[in-house]
Amino acid sequence: QQQVKQSPQSLIVQKGGISIINCAYENTAFDYFPWYQQFPGKGPALLIAIRPDVSEKKEGRFTISFNKSAKQFSLHIMDSQPGDSATYFCAASIGSSNTGKLIFGQGTTLQVKP
Amino acid sequence: ETGVTQSPTHLIKTRGQQVTLRCSSQSGHNTVSWYQQALGQGPQFIFQYYREEENGRGNFPPRFSGLQFPNYSSELNVNALELDDSALYLCASSSKGQGRAEQYFGPGTRLTVT
Repeated sequence: QQQVKQSPQSLIVQKGGISIINCAYENTAFDYFPWYQQFPGKGPALLIAIRPDVSEKKEGRFTISFNKSAKQFSLHIMDSQPGDSATYFCAASIGSSNTGKLIFGQGTTLQVKP
Repeated sequence: ETGVTQSPTHLIKTRGQQVTLRCSSQSGHNTVSWYQQALGQGPQFIFQYYREEENGRGNFPPRFSGLQFPNYSSELNVNALELDDSALYLCASSSKGQGRAEQYFGPGTRLTVT
């Protein structure tokens, strides 16, 4: 029940296309859902996060869509660029106004072809 | 504002040895969480330190221990190293008790156990 399942494992997108990564969770106590971007040899960088009281959040080319009833959330990267090539992790935690332990998905390796 | 820093960058140890990893939290943050990231996997929560005390622990044995200092920096100690302890060790800095859930990661320490 603590798991966060992420798909696909890998994704290849043409430059300018839309990259979509999906995550699903079971624990309805989760109330904070961040996405992290990680480049090889680096630590994960916080990209965007959402709380379950909203269904969508957009920051620049990155959008999180959240479906509370389905217990699913997704990351959309619009106008994907080669510089977006990285591994993306979804995560979930309990305590949206406090820092709880993050449960991470398995990651999606994104390759954007020029 | 300085970001999260970790030292050392890389470390090679022999099975059975002990290791200490260090983390300096981001300016203004009072909480440090430690995660283990095996190759090709998402980070796994080890434990969190707040007000110099352990504040939550993941599924890791007692040979994983930590400390937090008055300046909020932290150490992760691992005794009796095993080959499976080879991983990227990440610390994440955050502000507990201030209505914020964001956790910001350092670059990590790559530990290799031979």
